[in-house]
Amino acid sequence: GAVVSQHPSRVICKSGTSVKIECRSLDFQATTMFWYRQFPKQSLMLMATSNEGSKATYEQGVEKDKFLINHASLTLSTLTVTSAHPEDSSFYICSAPSPGQETQYFGPGTRLLVL
Amino acid sequence: DAKTTQPPSMDCAEGRAANLPCNHSTISGNEYVYWYRQIHSQGPQYIIHGLKNNETNEMASLIITEDRKSSTLILPHATLRDTAVYYCIVRWVGSQGNLIFGKGTKLSVKP
Repeated sequence: GAVVSQHPSRVICKSGTSVKIECRSLDFQATTMFWYRQFPKQSLMLMATSNEGSKATYEQGVEKDKFLINHASLTLSTLTVTSAHPEDSSFYICSAPSPGQETQYFGPGTRLLVL
Repeated sequence: DAKTTQPPSMDCAEGRAANLPCNHSTISGNEYVYWYRQIHSQGPQYIIHGLKNNETNEMASLIITEDRKSSTLILPHATLRDTAVYYCIVRWVGSQGNLIFGKGTKLSVKP
């Protein structure tokens, strides 16, 4: 079946540095991808919608200048956390609609720890 | 998308059937019921979805009441690996929008 991958699976960085997370659809194309964030013991919360060839759409309260999204191709979206701080430590998950739009496939997630 | 209500947690003995309920009393005629699960520290995994007929696949069965206001996900022979948070989500099929996750049900399968 269709697979979505994420890289890296986990990353530890110092406060103030930037971190890039990649989301790839491995055997299908996705003009839209979604980025979620999940804090411990909480549910997934949508951060932004990544659109191939156009600007991302951000949810209320998510800083677009801090969380840079680039949908460079039909199989790749990247999320860059700029000037990361400890409060950005979280589990970041991407998803892409299945080719028939019936469901969505999720990546395995990226665990970010900012020291 | 219609809102769903699920119990926060459930226990199930290994090898027994796990029946996870979901209420979606405000579901509209064109909305499907979807189930996903999230094993600890992993991304969500699609399980099954249905409109009004009962559905079965290799993972689970989905029973939707005739009035469509509630449904039950059935894992016929639960294993320890089925321990996860199970999310019931109602949405339009073919919707290109994101999924809206509630708090789900934490299923603990015990030996």
